[in-house]
Amino acid sequence: DSGVTQTPKHLITATGQRVTLRCSPRSGDLSVYWYQQSLDQGLQFLIQYYNGEERAKGNILERFSAQQFPDLHSELNLSSLELGDSALYFCASSAPGLGSREQYFGPGTRLTVT
Amino acid sequence: QKEVEQDPGPLSVPEGAIVSLNCTYSNSAFQYFMWYRQYSRKGPELLMYTYSSGNKEDGRFTAQVDKSSKYISLFIRDSQPSDSATYLCAMRGNNFNKFYFGSGTKLNVKP
Repeated sequence: DSGVTQTPKHLITATGQRVTLRCSPRSGDLSVYWYQQSLDQGLQFLIQYYNGEERAKGNILERFSAQQFPDLHSELNLSSLELGDSALYFCASSAPGLGSREQYFGPGTRLTVT
Repeated sequence: QKEVEQDPGPLSVPEGAIVSLNCTYSNSAFQYFMWYRQYSRKGPELLMYTYSSGNKEDGRFTAQVDKSSKYISLFIRDSQPSDSATYLCAMRGNNFNKFYFGSGTKLNVKP
């Protein structure tokens, strides 16, 4: 158990809908990262937040957005969902400073868009 | 062209074998190189983390980075059935704005 929690575990929704995925980082970790893992695209970095502020952006679609709240939990919002958005979404967290090299991944949320 | 190329395998070896996993990349700005292990239905876990070129050893694992050839390797000595997993290489520059993973190599170590 990495100490990173993600809810829900599974999510099934229809095309065009909007969903919110939630992540709670390990105690003391300030950085939160979001990733998408699909069979055709592999594991892709989406976005990083550090202590409430966006720090880095990867291959995140404009239909997707994220935020990190004052209590450091983070939410990933996916809107206008398409079939191709079906994937495993991972959240990871890391400690500040030198500890940021070690990212601890949560168990993931499996999203199925029908 | 993908930023990072990795042979997807699967790679099947007998217990006790030396395993060699490799990735190639094209972006010379990459400075941090990582190897992750991912068991089925689990999140990735960091195995090795290397900055710039050189070798790093941790127990049965050795990571090598050759920036001149844009080639990184992970060696697993005395492989065990518990090493059966998918191994992902990853690399980035100074920040996470360009952070890329290989497609992963599935390894099966037979008892």
